Amino acid sequence: EVQLVESGGGLVQPGGSLRLSCAASGFIFSDRYMDWVRQAPGKGLEWVGRIRNSANSYTTEYAASVKGRFTILRDDSRNSVYLQMSSLKTEDTAVYFCARSTSNWDDMLENWGQGTLVTVSS
Amino acid sequence: DIQMTQSPSAMSASVGDRVTITCRASQAIDNYLTWFQQKPGKVPKRLIYAASSLQSGVPSRFSGGGSGTEFTLTISSLQPEDFATYYCLQHHSYPLTFGGGTKVEIK
Repeated sequence: EVQLVESGGGLVQPGGSLRLSCAASGFIFSDRYMDWVRQAPGKGLEWVGRIRNSANSYTTEYAASVKGRFTILRDDSRNSVYLQMSSLKTEDTAVYFCARSTSNWDDMLENWGQGTLVTVSS
Repeated sequence: DIQMTQSPSAMSASVGDRVTITCRASQAIDNYLTWFQQKPGKVPKRLIYAASSLQSGVPSRFSGGGSGTEFTLTISSLQPEDFATYYCLQHHSYPLTFGGGTKVEIK
């Protein structure tokens, strides 16, 4: 069974940093692209970014709203993906989900974790 | 960026109704479109990928269609468990972008 479990959310002050983790199991993690998606309270879904697999040099893509502030990393030996967030703003308050995708352009975001809440507030 | 416009943003329907939700892309995206269902407090669930392929385990009353710039999600006979918010996602080019969502409520 595919499982994705996020952790690391919490309350952080504006301008602060936080690192989210997503632990994966039940599939060959190293083959997959991994995405982060967020949802502000009462709002819709927003794609945050992606990290590709080793075959694609672990390259990354980001939404404009987080580019330069957020970094996606992965550790295939730990079956984990991370979202390093810095210079946090109040508008980054959201539930953050990790999701698994493939390298096929027509097969994205098949499975999601339960999400972890990040609150940016003073 | 490609903008995804969903319509309607909300709707009321009765059990047994046929429901159609539309998603329009600001430019052609071939068939690189996915539909998700999200119930309150729950994780989004993939229903349809590649515009018209039914995700394994999803009831056959759900279907997707379209290509290019206009896409539809159809529920042939609405069931009580289908009351939820539905989102489309384009993955033709970066950044990936979601539609604003369609909330399907009980009439």
